[in-house]
Amino acid sequence: EAQVTQNPRYLITVTGKKLTVTCSQNMNHEYMSWYRQDPGLGLRQIYYSMNVEVTDKGDVPEGYKVSRKEKRNFPLILESPSPNQTSLYFCASSPARPTDTQYFGPGTRLTVL
Amino acid sequence: QKEVEQNSGPLSVPEGAIASLNCTYSDRVSQSFFWYRQYSGKSPELIMSIYSNGDKEDGRFTAQLNKASQYVSLLIRDSQPSDSATYLCAVNRGSSNTGKLIFGQGTTLQVKP
Repeated sequence: EAQVTQNPRYLITVTGKKLTVTCSQNMNHEYMSWYRQDPGLGLRQIYYSMNVEVTDKGDVPEGYKVSRKEKRNFPLILESPSPNQTSLYFCASSPARPTDTQYFGPGTRLTVL
Repeated sequence: QKEVEQNSGPLSVPEGAIASLNCTYSDRVSQSFFWYRQYSGKSPELIMSIYSNGDKEDGRFTAQLNKASQYVSLLIRDSQPSDSATYLCAVNRGSSNTGKLIFGQGTTLQVKP
């Protein structure tokens, strides 16, 4: 089944404890992106990757890191999480560009205490 | 001014009516526009994309784009209770080759039986 998977789906952590949210797609898509969704603010892009080894900042990259070492994986790293990073996170992928249909993962709900 | 603006709603329509959802954007260079539907607790899914001025129809859905006025709209004909969801307008910032996608905050649609 073609899909985007994220792990974990739910995570409660404490301030300053490094964490990684994994994202993997099995559709051989070039483009991948991370978003966070907060009430009243909609979806905001954190980072995106047009291809392997190519990443760029979205609108809200502060406090996040990403890497794209292989086409199928695009992990999101929070080196020192803070409470303002409590949010619902979505990973998405598309065949070549964001103008192609984007397929979203199921979301990761993160709470930072 | 937000880059992509939507009325958060809720927009309430009776079953069988036409629902009209509107979105304005500020970047005149933008070329690609999208409507995503998000059911409560679920991931966004693409329902329409539009790139040229005018109307684009797909079943009960019609997307309308007016680049001169910088707005894009979505009409849902014969609205059904299953259409009740949040509708997200998204704009590819700049040319179609950029990786940045900007979302509005979403409009909640309620279709009452």
